[in-house]
Amino acid sequence: DSGVTQTPKHLITATGQRVTLRCSPRSGDLSVYWYQQSLDQGLQFLIQYYNGEERAKGNILERFSAQQFPDLHSELNLSSLELGDSALYFCASSPGGSNQPQHFGDGTRLSIL
Amino acid sequence: AQSVAQPEDQVNVAEGNPLTVKCTYSVSGNPYLFWYVQYPNRGLQFLLKYITGDNLVKGSYGFEAEFNKSQTSFHLKKPSALVSDSALYFCAVRGAGNMLTFGGGTRLMVKP
Repeated sequence: DSGVTQTPKHLITATGQRVTLRCSPRSGDLSVYWYQQSLDQGLQFLIQYYNGEERAKGNILERFSAQQFPDLHSELNLSSLELGDSALYFCASSPGGSNQPQHFGDGTRLSIL
Repeated sequence: AQSVAQPEDQVNVAEGNPLTVKCTYSVSGNPYLFWYVQYPNRGLQFLLKYITGDNLVKGSYGFEAEFNKSQTSFHLKKPSALVSDSALYFCAVRGAGNMLTFGGGTRLMVKP
């Protein structure tokens, strides 16, 4: 068990809808990272938050947004969903130092019908 | 920008034999390198990392990795494979802002 909790485990919705994915980092970790895993794109970094502030941005679409709350949990919001957004979305956390590994949750599997 | 290549989509090895999963990287500056393993329907589990120091890094579950700066490689190794090692393995390099750039993954199949 990595200590990173993601909910829900599965999400099925339709095109055009909006969903929210939630992540609780390991106790004491200040950094939260979001990744997308799909068959065609592989594992791609989306965005990072550190202690409530956005720290780095990757290949995140404008329809997607995220935030980290004062209790350090994070949410990834996906809107105007398209079929191509179907993927596994992972959250990872780390204490924040650059030489410390990120620990991953088990992901949320998003299916767009 | 950094990049990682895992040239083999799949590696097949017999149980008890040594295994190697290959990884090459490209990054400006000093490389911070990681190996992760993913089992079905699970997240990525951290195996080991190279930050600095010895070129041979030891990690979890008997895995080790050899860092070679001249060849820009970071191959994952294990002296004796187990059937339970069968999984998807990812090599990653840390870039700006601590983001990880992953290779495409290598599926390891260990046969009894």
